[in-house]
Amino acid sequence: EAAVTQSPRNKVAVTGGKVTLSCNQTNNHNNMYWYRQDTGHGLRLIHYSYGAGSTEKGDIPDGYKASRPSQENFSLILELATPSQTSVYFCASGEGRQTLYFGSGTRLTVL
Amino acid sequence: GDSVTQTEGPVTVSESESLIINCTYSATSIAYPNLFWYVRYPGEGLQLLLKVITAGQKGSSRGFEATYNKETTSFHLQKASVQESDSAVYYCALGLTEGADRLTFGKGTQLIIQP
Repeated sequence: EAAVTQSPRNKVAVTGGKVTLSCNQTNNHNNMYWYRQDTGHGLRLIHYSYGAGSTEKGDIPDGYKASRPSQENFSLILELATPSQTSVYFCASGEGRQTLYFGSGTRLTVL
Repeated sequence: GDSVTQTEGPVTVSESESLIINCTYSATSIAYPNLFWYVRYPGEGLQLLLKVITAGQKGSSRGFEATYNKETTSFHLQKASVQESDSAVYYCALGLTEGADRLTFGKGTQLIIQP
């Protein structure tokens, strides 16, 4: 029944490796978002999308790429992972009314 | 830029006691932003708790209330009697533009309810 599903739930990566975080939504929302949450910070917006084929930079896009191949799927890509990207990542979908529906999060550790 | 400041956690409250989590905001590009409280229960994603888009109005949900005060630029979250199931992380947020869903979140306040 979960409308926004993230995978994996936990990921350990090595510095310099490539990491892909996946998000799938069944809400049929046009808008999708990637946030990261770190201790001492609020959720910070990395990338977002208004629909299939579109990606936009959020407030902290450096070191991240995003891909929206379909309405349902939105991926976050770390081409060269660094320890500073260790965080909890949340994906969300929305329909433009500022009510966001979040996934359960992916905990990424970069060693 | 736009920002949200909320009570630093963790906040520990005994069951059946009252609660207030403070939230103040600064919105530089719009006079009256939309204001939100989201909650994240253990092991789950954030979910909307309540939303108020009109200054002076009060929102309520699950026994929680928050009033949009434009004079003090505040949106404090209150509950008269908390339950153990209220243990969670609470996020205050503001939104500027309808249609974009872009929200600015506070750092979150972890609430621990002692039985």
